[in-house]
Amino acid sequence: DVKVTQSSRYLVKRTGEKVFLECVQDMDHENMFWYRQDPGLGLRLIYFSYDVKMKEKGDIPEGYSVSREKKERFSLILESASTNQTSMYLCASRITARGNFRIKNNEQFFGPGTRLTVL
Amino acid sequence: KQEVTQIPAALSVPEGENLVLNCSFTDSAIYNLQWFRQDPGKGLTSLLLIQSSQREQTSGRLNASLDKSSGRSTLYIAASQPGDSATYLCAVINTGGFKTIFGAGTRLFVKA
Repeated sequence: DVKVTQSSRYLVKRTGEKVFLECVQDMDHENMFWYRQDPGLGLRLIYFSYDVKMKEKGDIPEGYSVSREKKERFSLILESASTNQTSMYLCASRITARGNFRIKNNEQFFGPGTRLTVL
Repeated sequence: KQEVTQIPAALSVPEGENLVLNCSFTDSAIYNLQWFRQDPGKGLTSLLLIQSSQREQTSGRLNASLDKSSGRSTLYIAASQPGDSATYLCAVINTGGFKTIFGAGTRLFVKA
């Protein structure tokens, strides 16, 4: 079974703190993603990574950065947490998108989520 | 720009009823469509993935269909149970694209 894990289920931080959210997958997937989910706004893509050492901005990257030093691990960093970053953070992974055959079969798998509260 | 719409936003049914959840997308040029389930406060669980060349996929009491030409997919749940209560999301990847575009979800409540 594919397994995507996230370092914390619940996290409470103070404004201005540097926050690290960790995601690990055990399926040797090339692609990894960070989303945030807010009521009424749905899932929004923050950053994604095609492969190790690679990263691309998603739709709402402001206030965030990422790190992908190893294939199985994708970290989301809040450089200086703010109250508007209070949200549910979801990590996902899938097989590489390269090639028509692979992408048609590339099911996306999600972690359990981290509920972050910034006070 | 691809848009994914799910109607209704919420649905309440009695236990045992067969039901259909709808998903529509504006651009028919998709690689695949995936259905997810999300329980409150949890991550998304993959239910079914339909490739662009397929018409349907089945898993247990779930059956998902895809009609690319009309930009529609349905998720059929047979003999619904209270444990099926959750939010169901559909998502597509465009041909030549990389990102996944999600619908807002249908919140299902199955009454015992």
